[in-house]
Amino acid sequence: DTEVTQTPKHLVMGMTNKKSLKCEQHMGHRAMYWYKQKAKKPPELMFVYSYEKLSINESVPSRFSPECPNSSLLNLHLHALQPEDSALYLCASRAAYNEQFFGPGTRLTVL
Amino acid sequence: GESVGLHLPTLSVQEGDNSIINCAYSNSASDYFIWYKQESGKGPQFIIDIRSNMDKRQGQRVTVLLNKTVKHLSLQIAATQPGDSAVYFCAENKNTDKLIFGTGTRLQVFP
Repeated sequence: DTEVTQTPKHLVMGMTNKKSLKCEQHMGHRAMYWYKQKAKKPPELMFVYSYEKLSINESVPSRFSPECPNSSLLNLHLHALQPEDSALYLCASRAAYNEQFFGPGTRLTVL
Repeated sequence: GESVGLHLPTLSVQEGDNSIINCAYSNSASDYFIWYKQESGKGPQFIIDIRSNMDKRQGQRVTVLLNKTVKHLSLQIAATQPGDSAVYFCAENKNTDKLIFGTGTRLQVFP
């Protein structure tokens, strides 16, 4: 299995909802990432997990809460989001000193 | 260069011609560089990478050139095809866990 999978593919939520994005990889990669991407912009790093521990938090608002239950799974819990949080959320994973592999993303719309 | 507002730099080429996409990177300490291709509605897809101890690397129909003196990276695509139409991002690695993405270039291939 050489891919990163993300669910759901699309998500529409209200500002009072709580939802979660899920990411999975079975390549044995030790680092996993969350990115946010707005239209016509490059991906912006949000969080990095290394060996299941949070190693980088790019000053992301607390309404985004990451979780790494095990080495293959990465979640992003969403609560009280704002319309400007609407974006493509990308998960990626990486083996040591190699390229990051990206998932297909979750298209999030906040109403 | 930098994109202004919602406009991505765009390169338009005729099918069968060669394409050259350029990227300026910021940190002379970066030691690893990657090119990604992103099609509409999909996650970034790895194309080719190069380490700072090299100045050229070739793949299938693609070549990456690295000029460390002027901090410039380029991606050459030979015999460009309609399926090459996408946004192309360069990325530099300053440490092992964080990629810095360039602003992106849209490649349009016309018959």
